[in-house]
Amino acid sequence: QSALTQPPSASGSPGQSVTISCTGTSSDVGGYNYVSWYQQHPGKAPKLIIYDVTKRPSGVPDRFSGSKSGNTASLTVSGLQAEDEADYYCSSYAGSNSYVVFGGGTKLTVL
Amino acid sequence: QVQLQESGPGLVRPSETLSLTCTVSAYSINNYYWTWIRQPAGKGLEWIGRIFSSGRTNYNPSLRSRVTMSVDTSKKQFSLRLTSVTAADTAVYYCARADELAVAYFDYWGLGILVTVSS
Repeated sequence: QSALTQPPSASGSPGQSVTISCTGTSSDVGGYNYVSWYQQHPGKAPKLIIYDVTKRPSGVPDRFSGSKSGNTASLTVSGLQAEDEADYYCSSYAGSNSYVVFGGGTKLTVL
Repeated sequence: QVQLQESGPGLVRPSETLSLTCTVSAYSINNYYWTWIRQPAGKGLEWIGRIFSSGRTNYNPSLRSRVTMSVDTSKKQFSLRLTSVTAADTAVYYCARADELAVAYFDYWGLGILVTVSS
């Protein structure tokens, strides 16, 4: 069982927006502004797409955005494209002992 | 572009020790955190631990009693040892990099290596 809770699946049509949630506790998501998101295509390594809740690494399209409210973080993908179909994982800093915890992943399907 | 490559046995017997190495190329190994993360088939990611280029380590509390990490800066390699493995340790193991100032995120990952624990 993963420390952070994500919906197992999400879907949207091309051009639409979809939001994926990531729920933790005050000991991780709610306690720090250190949530990150990864995109993983089948058979590939995870790719960092959001860090520090809202920041995007160079080269990541601005269609990807992150936010946080309380113990829940969210990833929004706007203007869905076929190549966005992938698994998405959230993670959060969880203090100096546990350091980082991950969500169980959400499979995004572009209809 | 930083490249990371995991290597090691793909099959380990139960109760034995899993040993993996990650080789870093096209970038310096110094002044970064080097991390191991694993992913059982069909499941989420689990942070195993990290090692700074100086050798300082942090481990997942749930695995701490069985994990040892080391780094060889001259070879640009870092390693993972996980003792007393069971079937629950079967997973794809990734190595990844984190900037010294990054908090809990990893900007470069290896392609991963599948390790199966079976007799």
